Formats: sequence, C-alpha cells, structure tokens
Amino acid sequence: SQTIHQWPATLVQPVGSPLSLECTVEGTSNPNLYWYRQAAGRGLQLLFYSVGIGQISSEVPQNLSASRPQDRQFILSSKKLLLSDSGFYLCAWAQGHQETQYFGPGTRLLVL
Amino acid sequence: GQNIDQPTEMTATEGAIVQINCTYQTSGFNGLFWYQQHAGEAPTFLSYNVLDGLEEKGRFSSFLSRSKGYSYLLLKELQMKDSASYLCAVTSVSGGYNKLIFGAGTRLAVHP
Repeated sequence: SQTIHQWPATLVQPVGSPLSLECTVEGTSNPNLYWYRQAAGRGLQLLFYSVGIGQISSEVPQNLSASRPQDRQFILSSKKLLLSDSGFYLCAWAQGHQETQYFGPGTRLLVL
Repeated sequence: GQNIDQPTEMTATEGAIVQINCTYQTSGFNGLFWYQQHAGEAPTFLSYNVLDGLEEKGRFSSFLSRSKGYSYLLLKELQMKDSASYLCAVTSVSGGYNKLIFGAGTRLAVHP
C-alpha cells in the first residue's frame, strides 16, 4: 500500500531564516505530487505541483520554491521566511492527474 | 473565475442526519471531492462524484448536480467522532492538468 511522509511535523523559525520541508511517498511510482498551504481557518491553497522529476509548476507567486530531485521526493524551500509564511503545509500525491489526492500528515510552521 | 461556497459552521445532534451543501463555479469541471479534516490533522478522502446523482458509502453519501453547480454531503447516524471540518473540492482542468480547488470548509460540531 502507499504511504506518504512529511517532516518535520512542527517547526518554529525566525523571520529571515531558510526553510526546507520534505515529503516522500512509498509504494508507488511516478506519482503527481502537490504542496498546499492552509492558513488558520481557511481553505487549502495549492502552491506547487509536479508531474515528474525536475518538473515543477507554481500556482501563486510567493516567497517559496519547490523541487523534485527524485521520483518520490518533493521538497518545499524558502531562502528567507516571512511572517505570512506561517501555516499548515500539506503534501499530497495522486496516481495521475485525474485521480484522488491523498495527503501527508502535514507540517505546522510558525514564523516568529 | 473559480468559486466554491459552503457554510462555515453547522451543529447537529448525535444520531441525527446532517446535510452539508456546496455550490461551485469553475471552468473545466472534471469532478467533485469531499474530504474530512479533524482539527490539527490532514484531510482524508471521503467521496468523489463525476456524474450526476447520489454516491453512497456507508453512513456517508454525496450528491452532485453538474447543471446546478451543486453538491451535498449527507451524514447519517451521526457520531461524536464526526465532529470535523468537511472540505468540498472541485477539479478544474488548467494547462492540461487537473487541479483541485478547495472551499474553505464547513466545521461540523456533533453534540450529545
């Protein structure tokens, strides 16, 4: 069966510091991968998606970037965090772009 | 543009039935998902509708009317553990790929 992992689970970072969040998927190959952010009391906002190694599409201009160095690894990064980057970051995978998306456990980021 | 509307909060009694509505406007519609999200946790998949009609899965059912841009999630025999946010999400084809657009979610509180 497929599983999706994210780490760290929680993170407190000062403004201006770098960020690296990791997501890995097991039990499948060539998945579509997604990064979402959920601000407190709000819906999920799609940040990036990837249909293959090295292929990244950005949905909104922002302070963040994403990379996919391996088939089942998706990384969310920032060079300098802003206060507005605080939120709940969720990684998801799907087997094909018409399939159900399954979410990882998420990373709660607090920027102070 | 794309827009998804669902009530912000609902309350119901244990053992009762509750219906959570979702209306949407989107281009390139290719299906509608319902997810359940407990506080502090990741969303989990509940149902998917691509054709008009009712899909039943145990205590949960989901209905879709594409012509009306309308869906509902029906929860029967409510249990305390059903207290959660319920997210309506529509798939929208953009750039040749399906993307999930999420509503802000409906927080359901089940009382004894």
